[in-house]
Amino acid sequence: KQEVTQIPAALSVPEGENLVLNCSFTDSAIYNLQWFRQDPGKGLTSLLLIQSSQREQTSGRLNASLDKSSGRSTLYIAASQPGDSATYLCAVSSDDYKLSFGAGTTVTVRA
Amino acid sequence: KAGVTQTPRYLIKTRGQQVTLSCSPISGHRSVSWYQQTPGQGLQFLFEYFSETQRNKGNFPGRFSGRQFSNSRSEMNVSTLELGDSALYLCASSSGQAWANEKLFFGSGTQLSVL
Repeated sequence: KQEVTQIPAALSVPEGENLVLNCSFTDSAIYNLQWFRQDPGKGLTSLLLIQSSQREQTSGRLNASLDKSSGRSTLYIAASQPGDSATYLCAVSSDDYKLSFGAGTTVTVRA
Repeated sequence: KAGVTQTPRYLIKTRGQQVTLSCSPISGHRSVSWYQQTPGQGLQFLFEYFSETQRNKGNFPGRFSGRQFSNSRSEMNVSTLELGDSALYLCASSSGQAWANEKLFFGSGTQLSVL
């Protein structure tokens, strides 16, 4: 069974600092890894999807890397802003055709 | 293009009752997957429907069931509600199956409280 872990559970940084969020998974037989953002009481918004054959994906200030062999992914958010405050979740699609989610990292960016 | 619509937004039920939640996917999307989110267990996969067929199911009891209609709209039903069923229920739509290399689009969820 795929286990997905996100550390730390919470993070508080001053505005302008770069954010580094970590995601680890136990089974390297994955189809893809996806990063989501969730605002309180809302659904999830997909940020980046990395296919298993890719090493990274970039969108604006966001960059996500994937190291399948070590079971790790990292989401970098450059020059953080208060609007980046949210919970960030990673999800792994495995060979059981299911998505497994991490518990998330709650980010607070202080103005 | 309209997003994923879930109704109702909030529900309050008592133990033993049953409930039906609805999810309308983005136009053209054929997959609808359902998830339960609780503070203790996080986000857990319930099941996925693609072209009116259940393609995969998570580790939930048979009280949780669903269906998908020909227009891709999906409903989820929970019978004999228990206190532990209190959660935010989210659905997501995608053009292909959720486990494949498809971006998922989530609705805002239905917050179910069981008293």
